[in-house]
Amino acid sequence: QVTLKESGPGILQPSQTLSLTCTFSGFSLSTYGMGVGWIRQPSGKGLEWLANIWWDDDKYYNPSLKNRLTISKDTSNNQAFLKITNVDTADTATYYCARIDNSGYYFDYWGQGVMVTVSS
Amino acid sequence: DIQMTQSPSSMSASLGDTVTINCLASQDIGNYLSWYQQKPGKSPKLMIYGATNLEDGVPSRFSGSRSGSDYSLTINSLGYDDEGIYHCHQYYEYPLTFGSGTKLEIK
Repeated sequence: QVTLKESGPGILQPSQTLSLTCTFSGFSLSTYGMGVGWIRQPSGKGLEWLANIWWDDDKYYNPSLKNRLTISKDTSNNQAFLKITNVDTADTATYYCARIDNSGYYFDYWGQGVMVTVSS
Repeated sequence: DIQMTQSPSSMSASLGDTVTINCLASQDIGNYLSWYQQKPGKSPKLMIYGATNLEDGVPSRFSGSRSGSDYSLTINSLGYDDEGIYHCHQYYEYPLTFGSGTKLEIK
C-alpha cells in the first residue's frame, strides 16, 4: 500500500526558508523509474507543479520560482524534501507530495497535503 | 510552457446526467494527460492517465478521450459522489502544468 505524508513548519515569516518533508511507504525511490514530485495549491486556486526528483537523483524545477527551490531525497529513510528560500505571502498554500509512477510518469498517489502560511 | 485551457470553470448538473469537461493543450502533448478529482479539503485523486486509461478502482462511468490537442473527461450517470473539482494535467514536458480546474456541482 502506497502512502505519502507531508510535514512542514505550519507558519513562517517572509524571507525565511521553507523546509518540507515527504515521508512515504509502499515504494522505494531507489527503484528504476520512480519519482516524487511537489505540487502546491493556494486556497481556492489551482494546482502548481514545483519540482520532481527521480530514482537516479535527476531533478527538475519550475522555472517560475527561479532559483528558490531545492529538491532532495533520503532513499534509506524513504523521504523526499523540498526547500523554498526567501518566502513571501504568495507562497502561502497547501503543499502536496506525490509519487510518479514508473510506467507512465504521471502522479498516481498523493499525500494529504500540509498547509503553510507565510505571515509577518 | 504548455498552457492547459480547461473549460468550463464551473458547472451544475443533475443526478443521472452526463457531463463533459474539456482541456485544450497549447501544443502537442500526445497522450501525456491525466485527470484528477479533488474533494474539499482532500488531495487530488487520479482518475484517468494516458488520456484514456481508467485508473484501477475508478468507476467505468468515467472516461477520457482525445481529439488532437483537445482532451475530454466524460462522466456518465452522475451521482452525488462525483461532486468536486476536476483538474487536467500534462506530463509531456517540463515545466509540468495543470488546467485551472472545473468545479462540478450536483443539483
